[in-house]
Amino acid sequence: LAKTTQPISMDSYEGQEVNITCSHNNIATNDYITWYQQFPSQGPRFIIQGYKTKVTNEVASLFIPADRKSSTLSLPRVSLSDTAVYYCLVDDDMDSNYQLIWGAGTKLIIKP
Amino acid sequence: DSGVTQTPKHLITATGQRVTLRCSPRSGDLSVYWYQQSLDQGLQFLIHYYNGEERAKGNILERFSAQQFPDLHSELNLSSLELGDSALYFCASSFSDEKLFFGSGTQLSVL
Repeated sequence: LAKTTQPISMDSYEGQEVNITCSHNNIATNDYITWYQQFPSQGPRFIIQGYKTKVTNEVASLFIPADRKSSTLSLPRVSLSDTAVYYCLVDDDMDSNYQLIWGAGTKLIIKP
Repeated sequence: DSGVTQTPKHLITATGQRVTLRCSPRSGDLSVYWYQQSLDQGLQFLIHYYNGEERAKGNILERFSAQQFPDLHSELNLSSLELGDSALYFCASSFSDEKLFFGSGTQLSVL
């Protein structure tokens, strides 16, 4: 099963760029990498998804090196409202028991 | 608003009881997933249904069961409840498995 490893927590300040790295050493050739954001007592919300190189949308960028064993979520100019838990998700279908594997999440705290 | 509807939002019950959580997926989504999240924990995958059929099982207890109906809504049944079953239960739906849309969850409190 493809597992992910993320830092448990990170701190930063308003206006800074934040980079959260996720390791996924056993990622399969066809797997996508997806990041979600979760606020307390709310369901996770899709942020960004990628397969290789770089993906950018209105809220974040996702960098994936050529070996795809890791990925980095980049949040530009964070604000207090970006304080949340961020999950790295790898699409795993290596077994017949297809399921999505969630990392433990990174608790990001943004300070004024 | 994700388009996924979960009811009820809150549920308080006693040990030994049985409850049913309901999920209506986004229009057009065939997949429904159930997750359990205990306090300050990550999401634990329970079960995945696709177009009415069970596709994958995760860490779902034998006391728990689920189904997806022809109209694609899903129900998660929790029986013989224990204190440790208190958690947030999320439903998610998807059209493609790579992108999930989550409901706002059902907060279950077992007293």
